[in-house]
Order: sequence, then structure tokens, then C-alpha cells
Amino acid sequence: EVVLTQSPGTLSVSPGERATLSCRASQSITSSDVAWYRQKSGQAPRLLIYGTSNRATGIPDRFGGSGSGTAFTLVINAVEPEDFAVYYCQLLTTFGPGTRVDIK
Amino acid sequence: QVPLVQSGAEVRRPGASVKISCKATQYSFTNYYIHWVRQAPGQGLEWMGVVNPRSGSATYAPRFQDRVTMTRGSSPSTVYMELNSLRSDDTAKYFCTFCPSTSPTWLNPWGQGTQVIVSS
Repeated sequence: EVVLTQSPGTLSVSPGERATLSCRASQSITSSDVAWYRQKSGQAPRLLIYGTSNRATGIPDRFGGSGSGTAFTLVINAVEPEDFAVYYCQLLTTFGPGTRVDIK
Repeated sequence: QVPLVQSGAEVRRPGASVKISCKATQYSFTNYYIHWVRQAPGQGLEWMGVVNPRSGSATYAPRFQDRVTMTRGSSPSTVYMELNSLRSDDTAKYFCTFCPSTSPTWLNPWGQGTQVIVSS
């Protein structure tokens, strides 16, 4: 079974800055089924990116996903106040442990 | 209107069972499967399984295989997840969520979650 590792565990950024989140798989992924979610405190996760690089409906273009093989990335350009949350990557039945984005 | 509405919080003793409902208010079950994901306090997300609302067939994650049952309801657009032999480490928020396939490629939208507390 593939294990997903996310880094950093916590990322401190200022509003307006760029945030880069990493998700690494324990073995090479041949499909493009990596998804990313944002979870605000006390809320359900919300799908941001599916198929590695496709934005979900209603997700602003400051969110971008990329990657292949074992390395996948979520970039948030110009972080906004609502983006301070925990982010999870997912490959099918496996989720990463999450990256918390908080205010610097 | 919330697209997926789940039943309310539950408190159970160890060894008991809990059954949670999930009702689709905006989506048709025609082309979707319902997946269940749980989240222990302060922890990450854990996939539990999937149910086909049309046929009632279900597939479970190995660690829950002997304790979980996912079923379709008699009323339209409702599915259930029952977890048996509850332990304290089953204390978590349980979410239902949509996916167009049995394999959880992407999950969207999500229900609001149902808090389950297992305590003696």
C-alpha cells in the first residue's frame, strides 16, 4: 500500500505570500489520481484539486496542483485569510497526514 | 441547502453499535457512490469504505471489514453506516461524501460530519 508523506508539517506564511505544499508517495504513482483538500477548523474537508492538477468547481485560480511519479505539489498563490487551514493530499484510499498553513 | 445531510451526534458505551445516516438533498444517487471517511480528534482522514446506493453493494477498508456495514435506505437518497463493537478509539467525526466511482479518486461534496463519542 502506498504511504503519503506531507511536508512541511506546519507552514507559516503572511497573507499575500505564496505557499508551496509537498506530498510524496512511498512508491511511484502511475495514475494521476492525486487530490488535495482544504479543511478549516470544525468543518468538513473541501476538494480543491483532483487528477493532480484540475481545480474543482468554484475553486479560485490561486490554487494550482502539479507533480508526477512520487512528488506532488499544491501551490497557493497570494494566500488569503480563508486559506489558513489544514491541507490533505489523497491517493485513492490513502490520505497524507496533512500540512497546517498558519499566519506568520 | 447543504448537499449531504448527516444524522446528529451520538454517544455510545464501549461494545455498543452506532448507525449514522447520510441523505443527499441536491444530488441524485444515479451516478454516484457514497464513501465514508472518519477523523479522530486532532488527527487526519481515514477512508472506511464505499456503498453503491443503487445496488446496495459495499466494499470496506480491511481494518473495518469485520465491524462495519454500509447500506442503502428504503427512502430515496439515503444511505447508512453502522459500526459495531465500538472502542474508545472509534471516537471520531464520521463523514459521508460523494464520488463518481467505487474507487475514491476524488471526494466531493462532503456531509457536515457526525460526531461519535465512545465512552464508559
